[in-house]
Amino acid sequence: DTGVSQNPRHKITKRGQNVTFRCDPISEHNRLYWYRQTLGQGPEFLTYFQNEAQLEKSRLLSDRFSAERPKGSFSTLEIQRTEQGDSAMYLCACMMGSSYNEQFFGPGTRLTVL
Amino acid sequence: AQTVTQSQPEMSVQEAETVTLSCTYDTSESDYYLFWYKQPPSRQMILVIRQEAYKQQNATENRFSVNFQKAAKSFSLKISDSQLGDAAMYFCAYRRSGSRLTFGEGTQLTVNP
Repeated sequence: DTGVSQNPRHKITKRGQNVTFRCDPISEHNRLYWYRQTLGQGPEFLTYFQNEAQLEKSRLLSDRFSAERPKGSFSTLEIQRTEQGDSAMYLCACMMGSSYNEQFFGPGTRLTVL
Repeated sequence: AQTVTQSQPEMSVQEAETVTLSCTYDTSESDYYLFWYKQPPSRQMILVIRQEAYKQQNATENRFSVNFQKAAKSFSLKISDSQLGDAAMYFCAYRRSGSRLTFGEGTQLTVNP
C-alpha cells in the first residue's frame, strides 16, 4: 500500500452519464497527477496540480474532462457525457516537490462505459 | 516530444536466473530522470529503481540494476536472482525536471518456477 487511495475502485456506467472519481494523496505531498491507462498500455498523463493550482493539462483531456483539487488536498476527476472510449483505468499519483522524488501511485479506478 | 519505447512486450525467466528488460527514449533535454516501475496484477504501481541523467554511475537497488547509456538513450533493467514475486508488468518512464512521467508500453515479465 503506497498510502494513496482512490474511490471508487470500479465504476460501470452507461454512455452519456457523468462520473466522478476521487483521489486522496499522501497528506504532505504537494503535487498530484492524473493518468489514464488502457489495457496493455502504459499510463498516459492527463493533468497535474501543485497544491490547488492546475499547472498542466494534456490534450488528451477534452472539454468533457475536468479536475479539481480544492484546498490542495484530495482531488476529483469528472467525466461528463461518457463515451465508450473513456473506458480505462484512471490512476492518481502524488509526489513531494523535488524532481528526483518518486511518484506514489494509487490503486486506480477502473471505468467501464457500456 | 519525449517518447519512451520498450521493444519487448513479453519476457520470461527461470526462477533464480537473470533477465534484462530494454528501454530506449528520445529527448532533446540534458537534465532528466529515468525510472522503472513495477505493476503487479491488480496491484498498485511501485517504483523499482531510478536514475538521474547527470550521474554516470548506474543505479543499483539490491537485485535490480540499470545499464544507463546516455549517448545511446538506452536504459535497461537487469533483475538478478529472479523470484516468483518479480512477475509483473514493468514500465520504463522518463521525466524532465518537475514534470509528469512519460511511460513506455510496458514489458510483461513471467517468472517460471
